[in-house]
Amino acid sequence: DIVMTQSPLSLPVTPGEPASISCRSSQSLLHSNGYNYLNWYLQKPGQPPQLLIYFGSNRASGVPGRFSGSGSGTDFTLKISRVEADDVGVYYCMQVLHTLYTFGQGTKLEI
Amino acid sequence: EGHEVESGGGLVRPGGSLRLSCATSGFNFGAFNMNWIRQAPGMGLEWVSYISGGGTTIYYADSVRGRFTVSRDNVKNSLYLQMNSLRAEDTAMYYCARESPPGVTTFWGQGTLVTVSS
Repeated sequence: DIVMTQSPLSLPVTPGEPASISCRSSQSLLHSNGYNYLNWYLQKPGQPPQLLIYFGSNRASGVPGRFSGSGSGTDFTLKISRVEADDVGVYYCMQVLHTLYTFGQGTKLEI
Repeated sequence: EGHEVESGGGLVRPGGSLRLSCATSGFNFGAFNMNWIRQAPGMGLEWVSYISGGGTTIYYADSVRGRFTVSRDNVKNSLYLQMNSLRAEDTAMYYCARESPPGVTTFWGQGTLVTVSS
């Protein structure tokens, strides 16, 4: 199975400051079509996960522009340009290239 | 946009069985691949199973293969997860999630809680 490793696992931040989360895959997530099959989710307390970024760098509908995704192959990054109080929760990366989908361990963002 | 609503969770004893359902509405159900994803209390997300829109392609996580069976009824617009030989480690919130586009689990239900305990 593909192992997804996130860092850090806990991320204390100050409102207005930037934040960055890393996600590394044990195998390349680059498809022959040029897309990286890596998605990012935010799970707020008591809610199901919500999609933030798909295929590495595409913002999902309704996601604020302060969220961005980058990377290719095995190394990916989620960045928040200026953290807001509403951004607290646990962030997960998920690979969907290899048929047994796998998630990272999660990164808890705290203010 | 559509909706997904899970049901069928509850308390079951180790070794028992349970059938989860995911009722959908507001979209052409048969055109979308679906997944079951679970989350143990206080833990991270774990993908459980995938079924293609036509039901012909199915995958399972190693942790449930041979015990769980995913199926769908494209007339009733519903997804199912038959869970047999349940273990304490199967205790979790179970979410159904729709892929749109393929490979992107964009839409999630609110989940149904399964507790395996004697």
